[in-house]
Amino acid sequence: QVQLRESGPGLVKPSQTLSLTCAVSGGSISSSGQYWSWFRQLPGKGLEWIGYIYYSGSTYYNPSLKSRVTMSVDTSNNQFSLKLTSVTAADTAVYYCARDYYYGIDFWGQGTTVTVSS
Amino acid sequence: EIVMTQSPATLSVSPGERVTLSCRARQSVSSSLAWYQQKAGQAPRLLIYGASTRATGIPARFSGSGSGTEFTLTISSLQSEDFAVYYCQPYNNWPYTFGQGTKLEMK
Repeated sequence: QVQLRESGPGLVKPSQTLSLTCAVSGGSISSSGQYWSWFRQLPGKGLEWIGYIYYSGSTYYNPSLKSRVTMSVDTSNNQFSLKLTSVTAADTAVYYCARDYYYGIDFWGQGTTVTVSS
Repeated sequence: EIVMTQSPATLSVSPGERVTLSCRARQSVSSSLAWYQQKAGQAPRLLIYGASTRATGIPARFSGSGSGTEFTLTISSLQSEDFAVYYCQPYNNWPYTFGQGTKLEMK
């Protein structure tokens, strides 16, 4: 059973960079067909897809966030990361990492709350 | 991106009732549609993929149907643990989008 766990600061100042890491256990991040993804959920709102990274390093980002997003993968430590630059209060959300595997998002982290405030 | 519309936004129901939730895509997604359940304070959980296939461990009272642009999620007999928000999501194309969700609340 694949498990994912997000980690990172819960508070980020406006204009700074949000950085989160997702540790994957119970399976190899390098197995084919797995797209390692980030989502977020603004307070009281629905789900927003941020983007994915494949173990090879290829990425695809949501056009709405593309200019501010960078994802990376560390296969040796079985983890992947998200950076979101120039954050504002509108980026305050619960951030989820997850596995996208052919037929939907089948494994999710528990989510981590990130608040953007000075 | 594919725009998804779910209806109703909120549904007041009682345990034991049969519930049908709707999801409409602005363009065809074939059968590449998933349904998720999200309880308060929890991550979403995959219920249905391929429009009608239950994910691992999902009870048989959950069923999905549809293809193209019209989809439904049916809960045959609502249990207390089913009160949650339900989202539909097409996965045939990036960027991924979600419906705005249907909240099941107790009548």
